[in-house]
Amino acid sequence: SQQGEEDPQALSIQEGENATMNCSYKTSINNLQWYRQNSGRGLVHLILIRSNEREKHSGRLRVTLDTSKKSSSLLITASRAADTASYFCATIGGSNYKLTFGKGTLLTVNP
Amino acid sequence: EAGVTQFPSHSVIEKGQTVTLRCDPISGHDNLYWYRRVMGKEIKFLLHFVKESKQDESGMPNNRFLAERTGGTYSTLKVQPAELEDSGVYFCASSLGWGTYNEQFFGPGTRLTVL
Repeated sequence: SQQGEEDPQALSIQEGENATMNCSYKTSINNLQWYRQNSGRGLVHLILIRSNEREKHSGRLRVTLDTSKKSSSLLITASRAADTASYFCATIGGSNYKLTFGKGTLLTVNP
Repeated sequence: EAGVTQFPSHSVIEKGQTVTLRCDPISGHDNLYWYRRVMGKEIKFLLHFVKESKQDESGMPNNRFLAERTGGTYSTLKVQPAELEDSGVYFCASSLGWGTYNEQFFGPGTRLTVL
């Protein structure tokens, strides 16, 4: 079964620095999505990249997708303390609705 | 517009008891999903409703779990009897349509602790 796996599991940086998180998956996908979860809150959808796209930007977020390597990266530029959260990648394959999540990366941005 | 809501936010029960979780999707969203994250593991899909019908319940772990969505509005997920390994966070999500590019909006989750 396909499975997103984030790397690293935990990342601690200083405010203003950039944070890069990686995700790998195992089978073919239709799209890949990144979600954020703040402590005690629900999952917030950040960005979706389609399988035929290579890069996508949204504000301070930049996502890349390399289908040949079955991997994606999420870059958060100029990080803020409020970016502290767990970040998950999730893929959708043939089912078209079933999200398959990785274990997540816990990002801590120190003020 | 109200988002997906879940109740309760946290439930602590003893092994063998019954617990019912509730999810209210975004108004007008026909599609409702349940996911759960047990300690240290990935968030995993449990099932998908389209209106009141179960489209896919392949992720339900066993027959101690029963999901319903009477009338196609809110949904309940009952665990009876609860076991220790059922502890985790149960997320509900809803979407307007279903398909690759329909965003799923998640609720805050219900943290279930089985003692």
